[in-house]
Amino acid sequence: DVKVTQSSRYLVKRTGEKVFLECVQDMDHENMFWYRQDPGLGLRLIYFSYDVKMKEKGDIPEGYSVSREKKERFSLILESASTNQTSMYLCASVQEGSTGELFFGEGSRLTVL
Amino acid sequence: ILNVEQSPQSLHVQEGDSTNFTCSFPSSNFYALHWYRWETAKSPEALFVMTLNGDEKKKGRISATLNTKEGYSYLYIKGSQPEDSATYLCAFGSNYQLIWGAGTKLIIKP
Repeated sequence: DVKVTQSSRYLVKRTGEKVFLECVQDMDHENMFWYRQDPGLGLRLIYFSYDVKMKEKGDIPEGYSVSREKKERFSLILESASTNQTSMYLCASVQEGSTGELFFGEGSRLTVL
Repeated sequence: ILNVEQSPQSLHVQEGDSTNFTCSFPSSNFYALHWYRWETAKSPEALFVMTLNGDEKKKGRISATLNTKEGYSYLYIKGSQPEDSATYLCAFGSNYQLIWGAGTKLIIKP
C-alpha cells in the first residue's frame, strides 16, 4: 500500500515555539507539497518541492520554511509559531509527469496557544 | 483572481437516496479537474482526475462529468451509503497550481 506519513497527528505548541512537521512518502515521487486547511476555505499551498533541495513558495509561505534533504522526506518548519498558524496541515506527493493524482497524508492538526 | 466554488457547502441525504453536487471553475486555460474524498481522520483520497471536455468517469456508485467550456463538474453518488459520508473536494489546475474549492460535506442519514 502506497503511503504518505505525517509524523504527528495532533500538536499543541505555545506562541514563539519552533515547530517541525515531518512528511515521508514511500512512492519515490519527485513532487511534494505542504498545504493548510482552514474552515470554509479550500486547501492553500504553503510550499512545494520538485526535487531534493529544491523548493518553491506557494500562495501563503510567510511564517514558514521547508527542507527537502532526501527525496522521500519533506519537512515544514514554523520558526516562531503564532496563533494564526493554528490549522490542519496536509502533506501530499505526486509523480512528475503522471495523471496528477495527489497522494495525501492524514494531516497534522496544530494548535498554537 | 481564479476561484473554485463548490455547492452546496453541506448536504444531508437519506441512506439509499442518490445525490449530486457541483464544482465551478474558470472556463479559460483549463488543465485538469480533480475530485477527492476526505473522510474524517483519514487522508484525502483521489476519486477522479479529468482532463477532457465531456469526460465522464465512474468508480463504483460514484461518477463525475466535466464541462470545460462552461466551467463546471458534477459529482454523482447513486444509492448513498453511510460510508459515503465525507467531505468532497474539487481542485482545478495543474500539479503545481491547484486551486481548491472549500468542499461539500456530505452526511448520510441511516
